[in-house]
Amino acid sequence: GAGVSQSPSNKVTEKGKDVELRCDPISGHTALYWYRQSLGQGLEFLIYFQGNSAPDKSGLPSDRFSAERTGGSVSTLTIQRTQQEDSAVYLCASSEGASGGYEQYFGPGTRLTVT
Amino acid sequence: DQQVKQNSPSLSVQEGRISILNCDYTNSMFDYFLWYKKYPAEGPTFLISISSIKDKNEDGRFTVFLNKSAKHLSLHIVPSQPGDSAVYFCAASGNSGGSNYKLTFGKGTLLTVNP
Repeated sequence: GAGVSQSPSNKVTEKGKDVELRCDPISGHTALYWYRQSLGQGLEFLIYFQGNSAPDKSGLPSDRFSAERTGGSVSTLTIQRTQQEDSAVYLCASSEGASGGYEQYFGPGTRLTVT
Repeated sequence: DQQVKQNSPSLSVQEGRISILNCDYTNSMFDYFLWYKKYPAEGPTFLISISSIKDKNEDGRFTVFLNKSAKHLSLHIVPSQPGDSAVYFCAASGNSGGSNYKLTFGKGTLLTVNP
C-alpha cells in the first residue's frame, strides 16, 4: 500500500515568509508525528496527534510553529515568519497506535531552506 | 542535553565482515529502543527494535544487543553488504509522563560497506 507522503519535497523561501508543509499518513494510522532534522543533528520531535485527543505540542520550538490534522488524516505544519534557523528537513511519520511499541513509518521529508 | 548518543559519525567495513554500530543513552526511563536506516533523500525506515525486558533481538543479518546497566545498545550486521550503506539512527522511547510514543533520536552513524 501507499506509504507516508509529504509535499513539497523541497521548499525555498525568503526570511519572514510563511510556509505550509503537508503530510498524508498511511491510511488507517491513528497516530501522526512531525520531526525535523537540522544539519548534523538527529531527528527532533515537534508534535504528535492521536485520534481526537489534544495534540502533544511540547516539541514545537516557538509559537511561530503550528500544526493541524484535519479529519484524523492529512496534517499541515505551518511556520510563520520563517527564520534561517528554521532551515531543516521536516519529516512526518505515522503509526497504527500510540504506544512506544508501534513502528513509526516515515515520509521522505520536506527540505526547507530559508534564505 | 543529548539523551541518545551515537559517538561514531561514520564507520567503514569490508563486504562480508561484521558491522557494529553503537548507541548510548542517559535517560533511565527509556524502555524501548529502535534502529532506523536512512538512505539519501528518503525517510528513515524501521530496521529492528528491542524492549528493555530483553537483552538481545535478532532478525536475519541484524541483531540488537541491550546492556541496561551500561545504558548501551549496539546493532550488529553480519555479513555486511554494500546495500547496507546508509545512515543508521538509534532511537529510544519511554513512559515518561505518559509520552512513550515520542522517539528521541541520536545523530546517526554513516555506515559504508566497501565491496
